[in-house]
Amino acid sequence: GQSLEQPSEVTAVEGAIVQINCTYQTSGFYGLSWYQQHDGGAPTFLSYNGLDGLEETGRFSSFLSRSDSYGYLLLQELQMKDSASYFCAARVYNQGGKLIFGQGTELSVKP
Amino acid sequence: DAGITQSPRHKVTETGTPVTLRCHQTENHRYMYWYRQDPGHGLRLIHYSYGVKDTDKGEVSDGYSVSRSKTEDFLLTLESATSSQTSVYFCAISETITSGPSTDTQYFGPGTRLTVL
Repeated sequence: GQSLEQPSEVTAVEGAIVQINCTYQTSGFYGLSWYQQHDGGAPTFLSYNGLDGLEETGRFSSFLSRSDSYGYLLLQELQMKDSASYFCAARVYNQGGKLIFGQGTELSVKP
Repeated sequence: DAGITQSPRHKVTETGTPVTLRCHQTENHRYMYWYRQDPGHGLRLIHYSYGVKDTDKGEVSDGYSVSRSKTEDFLLTLESATSSQTSVYFCAISETITSGPSTDTQYFGPGTRLTVL
């Protein structure tokens, strides 16, 4: 089957750095996306890795290693507003560009 | 923000009744998707569309049908609602599915919370 695994919960303090890992097992994989969702609202796009390596977007970075079927999202200088659920999602070839989502990691940022 | 609306935003219905959810976009994007979100399952694809009148099944399509007669509208129908279809339903759109992240990113609507009693 096709699946993505990520931790269910992560807790960190304001100003810290946190890493959310994602391992995947999918056929036709061609990239890994990350989405943020606040309190059941609309998921919003954060980052995408189509190639191995690190992509940086402000305080957020994302990494992909195809050989290890592994990626992570790195959040720096954590703020209270970063408390949300974070989903990794695999993009799959030739299936309408569909995304296969992990179950999500709930990040709690404490003062 | 991408112009995506969903209607209704909340609905309570009874088992056995038909229900139609609507997704409307103003971006003229070719691809549209319906997902459901349940605790512990993340988002799961129900159906998707790659053009007007072109649709295909996702991973949890049983009990659902879709239609797309216009670029801007993608309808999800529960033929005979069951309690297991109580969920939050999200619509998403993307411009392309090529390897360019700026164009094949999926943008999500605000969601519809459906309760089947």
